Amino acid sequence: QQQVKQSPQSLIVQKGGIPIINCAYENTAFDYFPWYQQFPGKGPALLIAIRPDVSEKKEGRFTISFNKSAKQFSLHIMDSQPGDSATYFCAAIPYSGAGSYQLTFGKGTKLSVIP
Amino acid sequence: DADVTQTPRNRITKTGKRIMLECSQTKGHDRMYWYRQDPGLGLRLIYYSFDVKDINKGEISDGYSVSRQAQAKFSLSLESAIPNQTALYFCATSGPNRAKVNTGELFFGEGSRLTVL
Repeated sequence: QQQVKQSPQSLIVQKGGIPIINCAYENTAFDYFPWYQQFPGKGPALLIAIRPDVSEKKEGRFTISFNKSAKQFSLHIMDSQPGDSATYFCAAIPYSGAGSYQLTFGKGTKLSVIP
Repeated sequence: DADVTQTPRNRITKTGKRIMLECSQTKGHDRMYWYRQDPGLGLRLIYYSFDVKDINKGEISDGYSVSRQAQAKFSLSLESAIPNQTALYFCATSGPNRAKVNTGELFFGEGSRLTVL
């Protein structure tokens, strides 16, 4: 059972465009939603994360939008650059605090930004 | 030097062989993980360990075993490798930040690419 559904699987945009990657979840116990960025030949690294008590979070050109009622969240990359070309994974964690930190990952989106 | 180091980075082996992938970390984290990455399938958790005496199965532990030799070392073994274990394997750690808050952020190594012929 896939608990976090991510789409699209791949995405090609022109430089300056705004790619949008969407994720949906079913488990209402999830309460922390990070995005990881992975460049070729490297391990994933945390890009940005959001908790469900806010609807939007921005860090530089990256924005997470969160819709708690729809159980959906998305990553927007403003003014995308070729250096943003990478694979992006959304993820969800059951609960915060001192307990489990087992992330459930989406299947990933390979983004290509064309000059 | 990388905070999370995996060895080997690449390995080609034959069906039935025993393989060990090693991970060491200098982040001082208690929690260590092994993930497998396959194209189109994302990252799937194989095993995780919250301290030296605590080992837990993840989503896809069949065919794998682990050993937590020390706080800083966590190895993954394939006792008898099979072709469908061909994948990219990642070790990761997590632990409290400088403010002693455990955010759950994972710190990944650069991966070990395993090919089983």
